[in-house]
Amino acid sequence: NAGVTQTPKFQVLKTGQSMTLQCAQDMNHEYMSWYRQDPGMGLRLIHYSVGAGITDQGEVPNGYNVSRSTTEDFPLRLLSAAPSQTSVYFCASSSAPTGGRYNEQFFGPGTRLTVL
Amino acid sequence: AQTVTQSQPEMSVQEAETVTLSCTYDTSESNYYLFWYKQPPSRQMILVIRQEAYKQQNATENRFSVNFQKAAKSFSLKISDSQLGDTAMYFCAFMTRPPYNFNKFYFGSGTKLNVKP
Repeated sequence: NAGVTQTPKFQVLKTGQSMTLQCAQDMNHEYMSWYRQDPGMGLRLIHYSVGAGITDQGEVPNGYNVSRSTTEDFPLRLLSAAPSQTSVYFCASSSAPTGGRYNEQFFGPGTRLTVL
Repeated sequence: AQTVTQSQPEMSVQEAETVTLSCTYDTSESNYYLFWYKQPPSRQMILVIRQEAYKQQNATENRFSVNFQKAAKSFSLKISDSQLGDTAMYFCAFMTRPPYNFNKFYFGSGTKLNVKP
């Protein structure tokens, strides 16, 4: 199993450009999510999905769009990049809780995005 | 709303010694999970240890143990016999427990731990 993969690892954009960060998992996990990590802060939830076709907003959704057409993939789209979106982006996945118990969340290696 | 506070931005410890990282949190929930994650320079997020709030016994994983004080909303991480490979950012995290539709994580700002030879 490759686990959670993210592409690209690094990206530089100009203000106003759009792009898509890719995330894929091969563990058949129902739950997937996107976080951003800024200097001096922990990870903050951008968007999440509990299954194909179902997405919802997290703490900091503005400027980002997501969709989930398959169980495996959960791309994050930046509609019009801004310098405030310079950050490290993490994708994560987990299986849905069973019997009310938690299942471990697996993180991808991250994408470092710089917006000039 | 849930908040997680790590008041120690950076700490240092000598190799083989013991160090404790602090974490406090605020929530109105009664059932939840708490975690410590390690993030080395590679950026990979690695789960170190987790604690279920309804369990009174403190979790341990080899050299890592926690001191969970539910009434005080405190969740500290103790690393015994520190090793150079323990050098990393450590994040404390809170997660709502099922039956919520999605288990949202809330992270602290992190503590950078330097283990010195």
